[in-house]
Amino acid sequence: NAGVTQTPKFQVLKTGQSMTLQCAQDMNHNSMYWYRQDPGMGLRLIYYSASEGTTDKGEVPNGYNVSRLNKREFSLRLESAAPSQTSVYFCASSDVRTTDTQYFGPGTRLTVL
Amino acid sequence: AQSVTQLDSQVPVFEEAPVELRCNYSSSVSVYLFWYVQYPNQGLQLLLKYLSGSTLVKGINGFEAEFNKSQTSFHLRKPSVHISDTAEYFCAVSERAGYSTLTFGKGTMLLVSP
Repeated sequence: NAGVTQTPKFQVLKTGQSMTLQCAQDMNHNSMYWYRQDPGMGLRLIYYSASEGTTDKGEVPNGYNVSRLNKREFSLRLESAAPSQTSVYFCASSDVRTTDTQYFGPGTRLTVL
Repeated sequence: AQSVTQLDSQVPVFEEAPVELRCNYSSSVSVYLFWYVQYPNQGLQLLLKYLSGSTLVKGINGFEAEFNKSQTSFHLRKPSVHISDTAEYFCAVSERAGYSTLTFGKGTMLLVSP
């Protein structure tokens, strides 16, 4: 089992460019999440998908969109990147219950110039 | 809404010494509590979680945490740390009511030196 995979690992964008971060899990989990991690800020939830076919905003959704493509895949799109979106992005998955452990991918380090 | 405060951003400690990483939470309802660890250049992984029952929870790698409802705390402890415990530790909370996402603290960097 690969667990949670993310592509790409690194990306450099110019302001205004767009890109999609990909996430896939092979654990048959119902719920998937996108977080951003910034120094001294911990992890902040961008969007989540409690189950296939649903998506909801988290704490910091502005400037992002998501797609739950199927049960395995959950992508994060930056339509017009800004320097404030320079961050490390983590995808995670869990089963549907709040008590379930979240499993994290290795992260994507994004720099917006 | 819930919130988490990790009182120390960095904790330096010598190898084989005991350590305590502090976490306090705020919520209007009952909560579940978690500690996650992040090793350099990796994603997070679960150390332990408190769901119900005994307030002393044991996790992986010799870590344990105690839930104190009256002080709204969930401090993480290890009696003797190793160099390999150097990592960032995150406390997180979710509410018991319905479906709730995790809210993370800002993290505590544990620096273990020989």
